[in-house]
Amino acid sequence: SQQGEEDPQALSIQEGENATMNCSYKTSINNLQWYRQNSGRGLVHLILIRSNEREKHSGRLRVTLDTSKKSSSLLITASRAADTASYFCATDVEGNMLTFGGGTRLMVKP
Amino acid sequence: KAGVTQTPRYLIKTRGQQVTLSCSPISGHRSVSWYQQTPGQGLQFLFEYFSETQRNKGNFPGRFSGRQFSNSRSEMNVSTLELGDSALYLCASSLAQGGQETQYFGPGTRLLVL
Repeated sequence: SQQGEEDPQALSIQEGENATMNCSYKTSINNLQWYRQNSGRGLVHLILIRSNEREKHSGRLRVTLDTSKKSSSLLITASRAADTASYFCATDVEGNMLTFGGGTRLMVKP
Repeated sequence: KAGVTQTPRYLIKTRGQQVTLSCSPISGHRSVSWYQQTPGQGLQFLFEYFSETQRNKGNFPGRFSGRQFSNSRSEMNVSTLELGDSALYLCASSLAQGGQETQYFGPGTRLLVL
């Protein structure tokens, strides 16, 4: 079963706009990770945020974590066509057993 | 440093056959995890190996098995293949035993069962 639920399931924006994706989960976590996947290929790690952290930045990415609401958001600023991909949140509850959400399909139009 | 590698990249099998997939982790990584990705069920955890021992197992039937060698390379085996086993199989490696560690994924093996 999936621990995380992502919202929206699909998002279409123009280049230069910001994209925000949300993830909700059900149980307490050690950390939450965001991954990107292009066209059914392998997952590319974007960012890991620990349960005692509230916000993290990496380049054009900003991730927030609200453990009281069991939710996280991924913001991609100034999006580019190359950002077109599926984005997944994954929670680490026990060891290295990641539980993934259903993903958000992002399309960035040039 | 070379990334996680998986072989083969593509595989076609028929129902009833068995298949073995291989994963080589990033050098120095001792934990290898396997995931199955299908359109219907999404990404699901299969199992994790650390120092040649299975530490966690997902909710999959016993037809799915794996092992890890002393050099941390891992294999997973699926016996008596079913049509529903058609999926992208991903392996991931990480440094430590668990928690707070980034998992790095390989490109996956796409299995088609006919």
